[in-house]
Amino acid sequence: DIQMTQSPSSVSASVGDRVTITCRASQGIGTWLAWFQQKPGRAPKLLIYAASSLQSGVPSRFSGSGSGTDFTLTISSLQPEDFATYYCQQANTFPYTFGQGTKLEIK
Amino acid sequence: EVQLVESGGGLVQPGGSLRLSCAASGFTFSSYEMNWVRQAPGKGLEWVSYISSSGNTIYYADSVKGRFTTSRDNAKNSLYLQMSSLRAEDTAVYYCARGGAVPATNWFDPWGQGTLVTVSS
Repeated sequence: DIQMTQSPSSVSASVGDRVTITCRASQGIGTWLAWFQQKPGRAPKLLIYAASSLQSGVPSRFSGSGSGTDFTLTISSLQPEDFATYYCQQANTFPYTFGQGTKLEIK
Repeated sequence: EVQLVESGGGLVQPGGSLRLSCAASGFTFSSYEMNWVRQAPGKGLEWVSYISSSGNTIYYADSVKGRFTTSRDNAKNSLYLQMSSLRAEDTAVYYCARGGAVPATNWFDPWGQGTLVTVSS
């Protein structure tokens, strides 16, 4: 199975900050990567697919990049509603696998 | 509006069975791949199963293979997860998530609200 490793596991930041979360795959997955946002008690929400494509309706302050084994999710200017947990997920090979999550907290 | 609504969760004893349903609306269900994803309390996300739009191709996570069965009824716009030989480690919120309408575009969007399955004596 392909292992997905996110870093950091948690990060504290302030409104207006730029934040970057990284995701590393244990083997190359091309651009078969998605990013999700999950708030407590809610279902995950797709933010980015195919590593860098912004899902419809998602604010442009979210962006994704990378290919192969190394990927990043960047939030250019944090807003209060962005404090949540973020997951990466590979869709290259079954079984699909998720990263362990990155909790973004208010500083 | 695209909507997915799960049902069928509850408390079940170890070794027991449960059938989850996911009712779809607002899109042509028969054209889309579908998935099940679960989340144990306080833990991360775990992909459980995939089913193609026709139902002819199904994949499972190793953790549920041989115990869980995914199916769909395109005439009823519904997805199912039959769970048997349940274990304590199957306790989780189970989500259904829509995949793609075109093969190889299986991005999970949207997700249902989830249904909680608790396996305990």
